[in-house]
Amino acid sequence: AQKVTQAQTEISVVEKEDVTLDCVYETRDTTYYLFWYKQPPSGELVFLIRRNSFDEQNEISGRYSWNFQKSTSSFNFTITASQVVDSAVYFCALFSSGTYKYIFGTGTRLKVLA
Amino acid sequence: KAGVTQTPRYLIKTRGQQVTLSCSPISGHRSVSWYQQTPGQGLQFLFEYFSETQRNKGNFPGRFSGRQFSNSRSEMNVSTLELGDSALYLCASSENDRGLSYEQYFGPGTRLTVT
Repeated sequence: AQKVTQAQTEISVVEKEDVTLDCVYETRDTTYYLFWYKQPPSGELVFLIRRNSFDEQNEISGRYSWNFQKSTSSFNFTITASQVVDSAVYFCALFSSGTYKYIFGTGTRLKVLA
Repeated sequence: KAGVTQTPRYLIKTRGQQVTLSCSPISGHRSVSWYQQTPGQGLQFLFEYFSETQRNKGNFPGRFSGRQFSNSRSEMNVSTLELGDSALYLCASSENDRGLSYEQYFGPGTRLTVT
């Protein structure tokens, strides 16, 4: 079975704090892709990053960084020095090239307070 | 490139009616997926079309159907609407072919309210 778990339903932080959003996935496939999407209040999901199962390199993009660890089946997302504009719902997703299906987590609502 | 567009953006229907939602993918993208998003159930996969063929289907009743045209535009139809069908319906496109990237690009969604 394939599954994506985002245990944190809602997180509130004060501006400039660092925050980590957790994502744990389950799959039996050896080839798969992991994603993070951001859904601001406007509703449109915005693609943030894609990682394939063979690339465990961490990635940093500005204030965003991602930590992919196959040993713990986790793909966590950290925002450094959070800003009010980071307030959104963040979704982690898994795509399996075996089933050709995307599985989304339930999302984490991040509130950054000024 | 223009992004994914969905029409209409808002829709109000009554129980028992049917509705058709439209999605135009990013130019060159052949895969179109539909999702239903509700506060209680989160993002649920409805179906995916690739080159006019339904390639994947989620666990929704037969009242939910879709199709894709030769220009990759897709429509989703819901017949005999129920109150529980009220949701944000999101369309996503991707290149999604073997060997290519798999990220999906989402449209703004159609918010359907069933009264």
